Amino acid sequence: GAVVSQHPSRVICKSGTSVKIECRSLDFQATTMFWYRQFPKKSLMLMATSNEGSKATYEQGVEKDKFLINHASLTLSTLTVTSAHPEDSSFYICSARGGRNEQFFGPGTRLTVL
Amino acid sequence: AQSVSQHNHHVILSEAASLELGCNYSYGGTVNLFWYVQYPGQHLQLLLKYFSGDPLVKGIKGFEAEFIKSKFSFNLRKPSVQWSDTAEYFCAVINQAGTALIFGKGTTLSVSS
Repeated sequence: GAVVSQHPSRVICKSGTSVKIECRSLDFQATTMFWYRQFPKKSLMLMATSNEGSKATYEQGVEKDKFLINHASLTLSTLTVTSAHPEDSSFYICSARGGRNEQFFGPGTRLTVL
Repeated sequence: AQSVSQHNHHVILSEAASLELGCNYSYGGTVNLFWYVQYPGQHLQLLLKYFSGDPLVKGIKGFEAEFIKSKFSFNLRKPSVQWSDTAEYFCAVINQAGTALIFGKGTTLSVSS
């Protein structure tokens, strides 16, 4: 099946620093990738849709200047959390869209901001 | 806006018990529906999906779901659960634009042996 990886799996950073998370589709090309945030005991919240070669589409309430998304190739999308603060601590999950609207999910990245 | 409701927050069952997890969606047009499972410490995996055709959909690991259009429901079922089914279960629907998934809040299933 289709495999999506994320790197790093876990990151701890100081408040005010920026963190980059990578999402890769390993065995297929994905023109569209998605970034979600998962809070404890909560569902996944779609943050943005990342389209290869164009600007990402952000959901309402998500600060695009804070969560920078780049989808420079058909197998890689990156999410950069700029000037991270403790409230940004969360579990970030990416997915890549395959055929027939099916999405394949990465294992997630646990971000802890001190 | 579209939404997905999962009414059961936490379900606790003994092994061999039957399972039904509720899922209702708000959109009245053509829908693509999914159930995903997240085992402890693992990433989301697709259990089953419905696009069209037979409203009773069979998925992996003995799970099935029934799409009932008149009730806007897509409930997940399994006749006999196992301890290994302990996980978080998410119902999801493709949004109206057909561009993204909208998830329900999830149901935690705990199965005791």
